[in-house]
Amino acid sequence: AQSVTQPDIHITVSEGASLELRCNYSYGATPYLFWYVQSPGQGLQLLLKYFSGDTLVQGIKGFEAEFKRSQSSFNLRKPSVHWSDAAEYFCAVVPYSSASKIIFGSGTRLSIRP
Amino acid sequence: DVKVTQSSRYLVKRTGEKVFLECVQDMDHENMFWYRQDPGLGLRLIYFSYDVKMKEKGDIPEGYSVSREKKERFSLILESASTNQTSMYLCASSSGRVNSYEQYFGPGTRLTVT
Repeated sequence: AQSVTQPDIHITVSEGASLELRCNYSYGATPYLFWYVQSPGQGLQLLLKYFSGDTLVQGIKGFEAEFKRSQSSFNLRKPSVHWSDAAEYFCAVVPYSSASKIIFGSGTRLSIRP
Repeated sequence: DVKVTQSSRYLVKRTGEKVFLECVQDMDHENMFWYRQDPGLGLRLIYFSYDVKMKEKGDIPEGYSVSREKKERFSLILESASTNQTSMYLCASSSGRVNSYEQYFGPGTRLTVT
């Protein structure tokens, strides 16, 4: 079945440490790929997106993500997290056949240890 | 900046009541979406609309209906609210331009049905 998987429900990292959030998808062709962030009490905000081309994409707030076709993954990274990065992060895909519909993963909640 | 607004941040309704959730966007977007967000389940698409007076069922349309009489406004209707519809409801919009899949989200309405 087609799906988007975020295997980590909750991650805690120390402020200043590096971060990697995992995302895997299972679709026949490479879909369009996104990462969104939801701060407490807020709607979702787009961090970055991948359509084609360079497999390492840069986003806002110092985040980046790398598309790896062989692993069907699109992991989100940040070299040094800040307390303000505490939020919920959603990986999302737009399959080619979806006509603008986005399929969201179940989310990873990030906590920052002072 | 794109702005998507939702009529209420918090709403408490009784079982059996008819509930209207309103969403307005100011960027002349063709596409509008309603999601519900539940812990551990991510965002699930309820309904979406590609144009005025057009609507399509998403993944979980049961118990909901929608209305889009004007391009900027997309309403979600719970005909007879039930306790299992207690959730966070998020509205989003996106441009209808080719390859424009970025969705812009409102802040959400947290609905409690008692």
